Amino acid sequence: GAGVSQSPSNKVTEKGKDVELRCDPISGHTALYWYRQRLGQGLEFLIYFQGNSAPDKSGLPSDRFSAERTGESVSTLTIQRTQQEDSAVYLCASSNLKGSGNQPQHFGDGTRLSIL
Amino acid sequence: AQSVTQPDIHITVSEGASLELRCNYSYGATPYLFWYVQSPGQGLQLLLKYFSGDTLVQGIKGFEAEFKRSQSSFNLRKPSVHWSDAAEYFCAVGRIQGAQKLVFGQGTRLTINP
Repeated sequence: GAGVSQSPSNKVTEKGKDVELRCDPISGHTALYWYRQRLGQGLEFLIYFQGNSAPDKSGLPSDRFSAERTGESVSTLTIQRTQQEDSAVYLCASSNLKGSGNQPQHFGDGTRLSIL
Repeated sequence: AQSVTQPDIHITVSEGASLELRCNYSYGATPYLFWYVQSPGQGLQLLLKYFSGDTLVQGIKGFEAEFKRSQSSFNLRKPSVHWSDAAEYFCAVGRIQGAQKLVFGQGTRLTINP
């Protein structure tokens, strides 16, 4: 597709369960980012991947959160032993950092995660 | 510390009226500034961006923003709003080169009165 695709669009799960969120970036985009948006809040940076470099995990809130990316394609964000405070919209973005820089991030529609 | 402040949580304007949304930032280097718009249940759409050159930048949907270094501001404006402009607006700042961990403001929710 033309844009960033995220799945599922909605996820409801019980406290303590693990969840996996998926992001398909725009084809050819080298950088991929995950953000969290709590209700009524701005976005908080979680992690980003750039090519073959080590990911920047500085925004992950706890060791229950992890993410992987295969090459310059799909990424998955995993939350283990979910807690109610993990309820939020998780947004993925990608950008093209090849050649000249200064390319903005393009966002997906997000996954709305609700922890019961 | 890097931060973005959007002082107005919620603004209501009448259709056809002018609009200004405020954004102030704190950033330790030359900033790369953005305005995004988010409609309910949607992701973020880029309205405009600025990192150098003319301090008045034009974006999509008739929006513009002015960078004022002395005031650390990047306010968003539109001369005449349309009902379809009702949405949440986010200001963000990042670094100019390389991958960006964008720092976002809390957002301003815009309501349009008919």
